[in-house]
Amino acid sequence: TQLLEQSPQFLSIQEGENLTVYCNSSSVFSSLQWYRQEPGEGPVLLVTVVTGGEVKKLKRLTFQFGDARKDSSLHITAAQPGDTGLYLCAGAPLGTDKLIFGTGTRLQVFP
Amino acid sequence: KAGVTQTPRYLIKTRGQQVTLSCSPISGHRSVSWYQQTPGQGLQFLFEYFSETQRNKGNFPGRFSGRQFSNSRSEMNVSTLELGDSALYLCASSLARGTYTDTQYFGPGTRLTVL
Repeated sequence: TQLLEQSPQFLSIQEGENLTVYCNSSSVFSSLQWYRQEPGEGPVLLVTVVTGGEVKKLKRLTFQFGDARKDSSLHITAAQPGDTGLYLCAGAPLGTDKLIFGTGTRLQVFP
Repeated sequence: KAGVTQTPRYLIKTRGQQVTLSCSPISGHRSVSWYQQTPGQGLQFLFEYFSETQRNKGNFPGRFSGRQFSNSRSEMNVSTLELGDSALYLCASSLARGTYTDTQYFGPGTRLTVL
């Protein structure tokens, strides 16, 4: 059973465009993480959001944790080719300590 | 500081064989977790080791096993390989135990192909 659904699954955009990736679940999470994975490499942690309603900014990336701690979003402003990769959300449902990864969003930014 | 290293990077095996993958964590890290990544199922948790003890296990059959040595290096073993075991196997290390309480650093993975 996949507890973390990401949308869209694929995203192909031009450099300079904005985009939002969503990570949704029916379960409550103690925290959610966002990773980016590039071909031939393992995922790299971008951010961890812990508090419901929390917003974190990392340069052109803005991460939000839903008030009910069941969902999260990643917004990229003025996307660049270097943002290309597989974006994964991950978290441990409340009461468990097993990290579950989302279905993934593959982003391609063309120059 | 050197990152997480995994060996080998690529492996081709046939059905029925067994395979052992190796992971060297970042120096000082005591927790090692293993994940399987496939296009269909995504990234799935296999197991976590901390101080040579398995602390957590995912929903995989008993053919998948692992261990951790006193220097925190870890190995995972898959016996009686099946075609569906073809995947990228990722290892991640963290300073302390817990798959979400500490930042995990992933290795580049071992690409296993079962023919």
